[in-house]
Amino acid sequence: QKEVEQNSGPLSVPEGAIASLNCTYSDRGSQSFFWYRQYSGKSPELIMFIYSNGDKEDGRFTAQLNKASQYVSLLIRDSQPSDSATYLCAVNPLRKDSGYSTLTFGKGTMLLVSP
Amino acid sequence: EADIYQTPRYLVIGTGKKITLECSQTMGHDKMYWYQQDPGMELHLIHYSYGVNSTEKGDLSSESTVSRIRTEHFPLTLESARPSHTSQYLCASRRTGGRLDTGELFFGEGSRLTVL
Repeated sequence: QKEVEQNSGPLSVPEGAIASLNCTYSDRGSQSFFWYRQYSGKSPELIMFIYSNGDKEDGRFTAQLNKASQYVSLLIRDSQPSDSATYLCAVNPLRKDSGYSTLTFGKGTMLLVSP
Repeated sequence: EADIYQTPRYLVIGTGKKITLECSQTMGHDKMYWYQQDPGMELHLIHYSYGVNSTEKGDLSSESTVSRIRTEHFPLTLESARPSHTSQYLCASRRTGGRLDTGELFFGEGSRLTVL
């Protein structure tokens, strides 16, 4: 089982719709959860992070965390064509040798927002 | 805004050559990382460092080596490049503890290596 799993997509939504991106993780000891956006050929940039169960909102973005189900999601409201990118879920599992210092990434979900 | 720089951005090189990918950050971060990413695939951690003179291997076995002689500098070296080393290499850093340390990684622009 991969440590961080995401549907690779593509997820296609029309402009203005809500895009829902999902991620599951295997390590119950994971402490922090991150969503990064990566445009083609570019490096990842942080969208949001979340530590606690529940929802966290930032503008058009809402991250949701359910530690019991080992599930993290990202909702993008009023999707724009500029949101078209690959969204990477990352967690920081507890490692014997490095503590919580490293991030493990999923393969990412490609989002396509059509005008 | 993150200040982390990688050079070269693009490199095409022949098999057997020695290469060094440079990574520098001006934020004073102690923790630095190298990830490898193939197209459409996840980022794989290949090396990390907690500070000067500290280096550790990551989750993905790599034939590369790293050094950390100065806080701001974390170069990655391949002694003898092979076509299997063709990939994108991403350097990242992280704030050093305290309330500002959210766990976020700040990434450089990446170095895309092609070995012929």
